[in-house]
Amino acid sequence: ELKVEQNPLFLSMQEEKNYTIYCNYSTTSDRLYWYRQDPGKSLESLFVLLSNGAVKQEGRLMASLDTKARLSTLHITAAVHDLSATYFCAVTNFGNEKLTFGTGTRLTIIP
Amino acid sequence: DSGVTQTPKHLITATGQRVTLRCSPRSGDLSVYWYQQSLDQGLQFLIQYYNGEERAKGNILERFSAQQFPDLHSELNLSSLELGDSALYFCASSVRGRTPTDTQYFGPGTRLTVL
Repeated sequence: ELKVEQNPLFLSMQEEKNYTIYCNYSTTSDRLYWYRQDPGKSLESLFVLLSNGAVKQEGRLMASLDTKARLSTLHITAAVHDLSATYFCAVTNFGNEKLTFGTGTRLTIIP
Repeated sequence: DSGVTQTPKHLITATGQRVTLRCSPRSGDLSVYWYQQSLDQGLQFLIQYYNGEERAKGNILERFSAQQFPDLHSELNLSSLELGDSALYFCASSVRGRTPTDTQYFGPGTRLTVL
């Protein structure tokens, strides 16, 4: 059974600091997604990563994928308050489109 | 706005009752997915439909059922409701397989409270 773990679960950081969220998954996967969720709101797609070594960046967020280690990272550079949200990674397994989500990381940026 | 719509936004009902949640996918998307988000279980996949046919099933209880209609909208039916069914129910849609980076776009969700 495919399992996805994220750490940390909670992250409180100051503005302008850098930090990384980690996502580990248990079996080979063909796609890895990062989503953002604001409190009580829907999930917003951030990145889709397909292949080993893939790196994608959007603003202060950068996601990378190491398929051999079954690890993805979401790096936050020079955090700003607007990035406060819960971030989820999710994976799909070959031939199966359902998303298996990680536990989520609740990020709070403190001014 | 993802283009996926869900109704109602909020639903409050009593144990033992039955409710129907509705989802309209983005224009052109053939696949609809249902997910449940709760504090204890996190985000869990329930079921997927593709162009009217059931495609995949996840941790969906026998008391729950879904269908996708010819106009591609989908309904999730929850019956004999229990307190533990209180959760946020999301619908997502995708074009399915048309591009390697096919993404599921999520609707705003329906918050179900069972009293």
